[in-house]
This record gives sequence, structure tokens and C-alpha cells, in this order.
Amino acid sequence: GDSVTQMEGPVTLSEEAFLTINCTYTATGYPSLFWYVQYPGEGLQLLLKATKADDKGSNKGFEATYRKETTSFHLEKGSVQVSDSAVYFCALNTLGGSEKLVFGKGTKLTVNP
Amino acid sequence: DTAVSQTPKYLVTQMGNDKSIKCEQNLGHDTMYWYKQDSKKFLKIMFSYNNKELIINETVPNRFSPKSPDKAHLNLHINSLELGDSAVYFCASRLGGANTEAFFGQGTRLTVV
Repeated sequence: GDSVTQMEGPVTLSEEAFLTINCTYTATGYPSLFWYVQYPGEGLQLLLKATKADDKGSNKGFEATYRKETTSFHLEKGSVQVSDSAVYFCALNTLGGSEKLVFGKGTKLTVNP
Repeated sequence: DTAVSQTPKYLVTQMGNDKSIKCEQNLGHDTMYWYKQDSKKFLKIMFSYNNKELIINETVPNRFSPKSPDKAHLNLHINSLELGDSAVYFCASRLGGANTEAFFGQGTRLTVV
């Protein structure tokens, strides 16, 4: 079945460091891809998405590019802030009749001042 | 106005009890979900409803029974609670279609003692 693999955390960075969280997927066809963020004690919220190959999603300084050839959707940010500390989830939308979001295991990011 | 609201936010109960979690969305979405998030933050889909019709039931024990009285509500009833049911349960909704994002509630932290 469809699945998402993202890098294990936790990831700890200093403020203004560069962030990469790797995400690869296995799916039938070309699903839409998403990054969700979960701040402490809250639900998930969409960070960015890409719906077809070579699309780049971006939001709040975060970016991810849909790479069909490597089946990847890595999340990047050039300069992280303390307020970016959260758990990040890569997800894909399964195609076909029973649409659902399949999530990776999440990567906890802590940014220190 | 909260888009997807769940009640209660916290639920502590004894083994063997029966409990319900309620979810309501005011976004006019057709599809609603229940996800379970374990202590390691892993998110797994439990159920999906589309216009009050059950679409997905992902090998969830029979003790869990979703009910959708209308397309804006999806409640989760759990019978004979077990220690292993302790988790955070998230309700979500989406408009439907492969490219649309899901909106999540704040979660219900269930603790079975």
C-alpha cells in the first residue's frame, strides 16, 4: 500500500540554522503531497502542499519540491526560528475511491536560541 | 469560529467504561475522519465518512463505533475501554478530491487508567 517515510528525529538546531527534513513516498500513480505541522498541544495544520511533479510548495519560509524521479518531498527552510519548534509530518493523499491522508511518523524539531 | 471542534479536549476514565468523543465541522466539507495518534506521535487513520456514509474502516476493534448523524458531525463511541486505547484522537474534515487539505481539530487526549 501507499506509504511515507520521513527522517527520524528528534532534530535539534540553533536559531538561523538551515533545516532539511527528508521525506520519500511509495504510491500508485502520482498522489498529492503535503507537509503538516503540529505545535505542542495543538492539532495538525497544513504547512504546504504540491499536487504534481516539479511543483514547489512554500509557506512561512518553508519549501518542498515534488520530485517524481526520486519520489521525494523534502522540507527545507533557510533560517529556522525558535517558533518553528514543532513536529512535522509528511503526508500523501491516496488515490482511488477511498481517499485518505497517509502520514509519515513525524519529525520533532527543536530550535534553540 | 473554530472550523473543526472536538469535545472533550481531555478525557480520563477507567478501564471497562464506555465513552464518546464528539466532532463538528462548520466548513461544509463532505468527508470527515478519525485519526489516532499514539505516544510516539504516529498518526493512523481509523475511519472515514463521506456524506454520512462509512467509506474507510481501518482494522479498528469493534469496540470503536463511529456515528455520523449529518455530514457536519462525526462522533466516536468507544465501548469497554482498555489501557491501550490511551492516545490522542483527532477528528478532521476535507472537501474531497485529491488536492484538498484536511483540517484537524485540536484533539482529544484519552487516558484510560
